[in-house]
Amino acid sequence: DVQMTQSPSTLSASVGDRVTITCRASQSISTWLAWYQQKPGKAPKLLISRAFRLASGVSSRFSGSGSGTEFTLTISGLQPDDFATYYCQQYHLSSTFGRGTRVEV
Amino acid sequence: QLQLQESGPGLLKPSETLSLTCTVSGASVTSNSAYWGWVRQSPETGLQWIGSIYHSGTTYSNPSLENRLNMFFDTSKSQFSLRLSSVTAADTAIYFCAKLDGSGFTSVFQSWGPGIGVTVS
Repeated sequence: DVQMTQSPSTLSASVGDRVTITCRASQSISTWLAWYQQKPGKAPKLLISRAFRLASGVSSRFSGSGSGTEFTLTISGLQPDDFATYYCQQYHLSSTFGRGTRVEV
Repeated sequence: QLQLQESGPGLLKPSETLSLTCTVSGASVTSNSAYWGWVRQSPETGLQWIGSIYHSGTTYSNPSLENRLNMFFDTSKSQFSLRLSSVTAADTAIYFCAKLDGSGFTSVFQSWGPGIGVTVS
């Protein structure tokens, strides 16, 4: 299995901050990486696929970068609606998710 | 607009078979290039891909679950279903059905149902 390690597990931030979340794969996955946002009691929502492609309707505040084994999700100008948990998913070899990064106030 | 909705029992006993159904509206489950899948989430294991089914009926499962897992369509009802046999407490989770982006059995999950809680006890 490809293991996905996210850091940090929790991140404290304020409205307007620039926030960066890291996801590391245990082996190279090229750019077969997605990012999701999940709020309590809700299903995950796709934000980014192929490491950097913004999903339809997703704010340009969100951006993704990276390839191989190291990836980042950046939120520029954090908004109140962005406080949530973020997950990465690799889909190069089967499919596995990271354990999440909670962005809190 | 595509909508997915999970249904099934919320409580099972160990060794029973879990049966869940996902009802799809706004799209055909057998439309070309359509992949549909199941993901579960628990505090212990986090998000876990369970398996996916292609519009043709071909399936691909997480190796850790494949010997207990069966997935199939009921096209007359625009549904796809999951059966997981011999459940244990480790199968307690929120189960989500989802539509994948069409590029493969293990691609990104574009649209999700709200999820259904399943407890094995």
